[in-house]
Amino acid sequence: AQSVTQPDIHITVSEGASLELRCNYSYGATPYLFWYVQSPGQGLQLLLKYFSGDTLVQGIKGFEAEFKRSQSSFNLRKPSVHWSDAAEYFCAVGAPQGGNKLVFGAGTILRVKS
Amino acid sequence: KAGVTQTPRYLIKTRGQQVTLSCSPISGHRSVSWYQQTPGQGLQFLFEYFSETQRNKGNFPGRFSGRQFSNSRSEMNVSTLELGDSALYLCASSIGESNQPQHFGDGTRLSIL
Repeated sequence: AQSVTQPDIHITVSEGASLELRCNYSYGATPYLFWYVQSPGQGLQLLLKYFSGDTLVQGIKGFEAEFKRSQSSFNLRKPSVHWSDAAEYFCAVGAPQGGNKLVFGAGTILRVKS
Repeated sequence: KAGVTQTPRYLIKTRGQQVTLSCSPISGHRSVSWYQQTPGQGLQFLFEYFSETQRNKGNFPGRFSGRQFSNSRSEMNVSTLELGDSALYLCASSIGESNQPQHFGDGTRLSIL
């Protein structure tokens, strides 16, 4: 069965510093990978997705993620964090030919200090 | 283009009651999925509908059910409510049948007293 691990429950970074959120997945084949962000009281917003091809994918709000098959990882990065990036971030995996069902990680809460 | 609309936004029920939540997908989207979000269990998949057919179902008891109408709008129903059903219920829509990015609504916050 698919699973997603986000090892960091909380991360605190200073405004302007770089950010990397970790995500590891478990799946037999190459999965479809997503990062979502959730602000308090709101739904999830898609940041970026990886289906195939270039392993470095660009998303909205200046985020990028790199797919590393050998490490079963799909880490999210941003070179310079803004205070408005404070939110909860979820990594998710979808199965090829599996409909649109997503399996989510537990999430990482990002705090930004000024 | 309007996003995914979930109604109501907040709901308070008592144990043993039943509840129906509604989701209107983005225009043109034919797939609707439902998720339950709780602090303890995180985001868990409930079920997915495409063209009025249930495509996938998560590991939830039979008290949780759903349906999709011909206009792609979806409802989920929870019967015999339990305290543990308190959660944020999120609906997501996708344009295609498989492996499509999902667009989420803001959810329905269900509280069971």
